[in-house]
Amino acid sequence: NAGVTQTPKFRVLKTGQSMTLLCAQDMNHEYMYWYRQDPGMGLRLIHYSVGEGTTAKGEVPDGYNVSRLKKQNFLLGLESAAPSQTSVYFCASTRDLRGYNSPLHFGNGTRLTVT
Amino acid sequence: AQTVTQSQPEMSVQEAETVTLSCTYDTSESDYYLFWYKQPPSRQMILVIRQEAYKQQNATENRFSVNFQKAAKSFSLKISDSQLGDAAMYFCAYRSAHAGKSTFGDGTTLTVKP
Repeated sequence: NAGVTQTPKFRVLKTGQSMTLLCAQDMNHEYMYWYRQDPGMGLRLIHYSVGEGTTAKGEVPDGYNVSRLKKQNFLLGLESAAPSQTSVYFCASTRDLRGYNSPLHFGNGTRLTVT
Repeated sequence: AQTVTQSQPEMSVQEAETVTLSCTYDTSESDYYLFWYKQPPSRQMILVIRQEAYKQQNATENRFSVNFQKAAKSFSLKISDSQLGDAAMYFCAYRSAHAGKSTFGDGTTLTVKP
């Protein structure tokens, strides 16, 4: 059982380049999330999805786009990378908002550096 | 919008001693969940404990327990018999039972001294 898998694990981009981060979960979870974590700070929500084909903005959506064409995948895109987007990116998912299955399951993170 | 505040950026504890990490939150909702997650140097986020707001009884998981004060909007984590493996950053998180978003505090870095 792989859980939540993020690819790639590390990436270095030059300013203005684009890239896509892939998140895949094999737990049939409805809800998926993209967070960024900056040094000394907690996780800030970029975008999230409450089901296949749906996306919504979080706290810090500017400069990012997402898509959830398949239930198991949630893609995060950077169209024109900026140094301010240097961060560690986490994908997370959950089956339910209530009850035993409500905690988030996290991927191992992607460290992105924009020079 | 909900906010989560962890007022202790860093804490330290002697091995085998007890330590309490603080968390307060702000919400106008009555139905929600609270979580503590642990992030060791490996970067992996691991669930430590959860609390449903409608339950008055404080959650416990082995050496980890919470003090949930709903009226005060406080949710502290107590770690008993601290072990070297408990050294990590700990995040408090809030989520409405009706909305998808989770809000995290800025974290507390816990050092365990041998």
